[in-house]
Amino acid sequence: AQKITQTQPGMFVQEKEAVTLDCTYDTSDQSYGLFWYKQPSSGEMIFLIYQGSYDEQNATEGRYSLNFQKARKSANLVISASQLGDSAMYFCAIGDSGTYKYIFGTGTRLKVLA
Amino acid sequence: DVKVTQSSRYLVKRTGEKVFLECVQDMDHENMFWYRQDPGLGLRLIYFSYDVKMKEKGDIPEGYSVSREKKERFSLILESASTNQTSMYLCASQTFTGTDTQYFGPGTRLTVL
Repeated sequence: AQKITQTQPGMFVQEKEAVTLDCTYDTSDQSYGLFWYKQPSSGEMIFLIYQGSYDEQNATEGRYSLNFQKARKSANLVISASQLGDSAMYFCAIGDSGTYKYIFGTGTRLKVLA
Repeated sequence: DVKVTQSSRYLVKRTGEKVFLECVQDMDHENMFWYRQDPGLGLRLIYFSYDVKMKEKGDIPEGYSVSREKKERFSLILESASTNQTSMYLCASQTFTGTDTQYFGPGTRLTVL
């Protein structure tokens, strides 16, 4: 069975600084995808970034990058130059390639300080 | 951009009422999902559908049913609402091309009194 672990229930970061949100996973599958979502207080889950298990390079999307360490089974999200609007819950998820199901972590609440 | 909409952002119902939550996506995605989200528990899958009229149970289907009569619309039904179904309900859609990313609607906060 797949599993996602997010060990940081809450984090603070100063505006304009970088922050890393941790995510470790467990799977016996060879082919899988790792996803990060942002959930502001409004409730909508916003897709941020994807990393495939066979991708050799770390994924990047604007200020978001994914630090993928396959041997350690970690997929940490790095947010550079934090903005006040980055304050939200962040969820890591894993999904088998070609299947329907995602497994989500319990989330990390990020607060950006002015 | 993918657009997933849900019929209500906030809903208040009484115990025993039949409740319909509707979800519509405009990207011709094959797969659609209903999750519930509770503090400390993350997202849990209730049901998903991989085609019109096709459905499969997720991890917590008890007390819920679903309907998918058209490809773009996926409904979640609470046959007889109970207070323990007070939660945030999130709908998502997905296509099996590229990254298999799921795209979510804005969510419905349901309160059952």
